[in-house]
Amino acid sequence: DADVTQTPRNRITKTGKRIMLECSQTKGHDRMYWYRQDPGLGLRLIYYSFDVKDINKGEISDGYSVSRQAQAKFSLSLESAIPNQTALYFCATRRTGDTGELFFGEGSRLTVL
Amino acid sequence: GIQVEQSPPDLILQEGANSTLRCNFSDSVNNLQWFHQNPWGQLINLFYIPSGTKQNGRLSATTVATERYSLLYISSSQTTDSGVYFCAVLFSGNTPLVFGKGTRLSVIA
Repeated sequence: DADVTQTPRNRITKTGKRIMLECSQTKGHDRMYWYRQDPGLGLRLIYYSFDVKDINKGEISDGYSVSRQAQAKFSLSLESAIPNQTALYFCATRRTGDTGELFFGEGSRLTVL
Repeated sequence: GIQVEQSPPDLILQEGANSTLRCNFSDSVNNLQWFHQNPWGQLINLFYIPSGTKQNGRLSATTVATERYSLLYISSSQTTDSGVYFCAVLFSGNTPLVFGKGTRLSVIA
């Protein structure tokens, strides 16, 4: 089983629908992140959390919200999806401190029609 | 501001050729990683290398922190090496890693 698990892996939805992407990790890491990747482009940070009570906006947080339900779970919500939120979404985790690797989930491909 | 620049942006290689990908960063770093995104979109950890040299099979990486760059070497390239290679840098423990824009590698048979 993957250490960082994202669900769903693929989702097609319609404009205006609420969508939740979930991430869970078994690595025991404190820090969790949500990234967005558009076709042919790099990774952009949406939100990140250093622990259950610490949530921070990234560079493109508008239109998104997050919830850190537990140390191991970090979910991303699109309250009212729009077509330009069609993208590949990645969850990632890292342990606290200056060192330690960032580990990604397998990605969630979202299409908003 | 804080910057991570990768070069070249695109690279096409014949199978069996060698290549060097570069990552320049604008400040001292605590953490540097190389990732490979395969054609199916998965992001795979290649190296965690804030300084020094590491090797894993046909791939190796070197980071010269004092000169603010890291190099990823791919030898005897194979078609399965195709994809995008990202460099990511941690400048401070309380900030997220900063990603470069990637180098897109295409290895043709």
